[in-house]
Amino acid sequence: GAVVSQHPSRVICKSGTSVKIECRSLDFQATTMFWYRQFPKKSLMLMATSNEGSKATYEQGVEKDKFLINHASLTLSTLTVTSAHPEDSSFYICSAMGDNYQPQHFGDGTRLSIL
Amino acid sequence: AQTVTQSQPEMSVQEAETVTLSCTYDTSESDYYLFWYKQPPSRQMILVIRQEAYKQQNATENRFSVNFQKAAKSFSLKISDSQLGDAAMYFCAYRSYTYPTSGTYKYIFGTGTRLKVLA
Repeated sequence: GAVVSQHPSRVICKSGTSVKIECRSLDFQATTMFWYRQFPKKSLMLMATSNEGSKATYEQGVEKDKFLINHASLTLSTLTVTSAHPEDSSFYICSAMGDNYQPQHFGDGTRLSIL
Repeated sequence: AQTVTQSQPEMSVQEAETVTLSCTYDTSESDYYLFWYKQPPSRQMILVIRQEAYKQQNATENRFSVNFQKAAKSFSLKISDSQLGDAAMYFCAYRSYTYPTSGTYKYIFGTGTRLKVLA
């Protein structure tokens, strides 16, 4: 089946640090990748949608300068949390979708903890 | 705008028994996809089952089946012969079928139902 790899699985860093999270589709080409944020015991909150080679589309309320998304190829998207602060601590999940008739497949998520 | 509602925050089922998780949605579209995703404690989201709205036949995947009522905008998940490994958060999700004018597909997730399986 379709496999999405997300790395790293856990990050602990100091306030002010920038953190990059990678999302790779291992056995298919992802025309679209999604980035979600999930708070404890809550549903997934879509942050942005990215299509290969074009700028990401951010959801309302998500700061694009804070959460930089790059979808450089059909198999890789990155999320960079710039100048992270404790309030950015959360569980971040990426997903990837092949063609428009396929469901999205999720990565394992990244737990980000900012001290 | 589309919405997805899961009215059961938590459900319990005895091992080997059957349980049904509810999901309702609201949309003005005629063609769309509906999904059930499972999120175990390991946190990875796993696709359980998918239903295309234009198909009248209910989707089934082994012990998992859905009851899709298009007119009622209802999409419940039935888990038969429940196993301890079925314990997880279950999310119902909606996605448009046709490419939206916004240029991006968007999945709408419900708030989830936590399923506990009792030994």
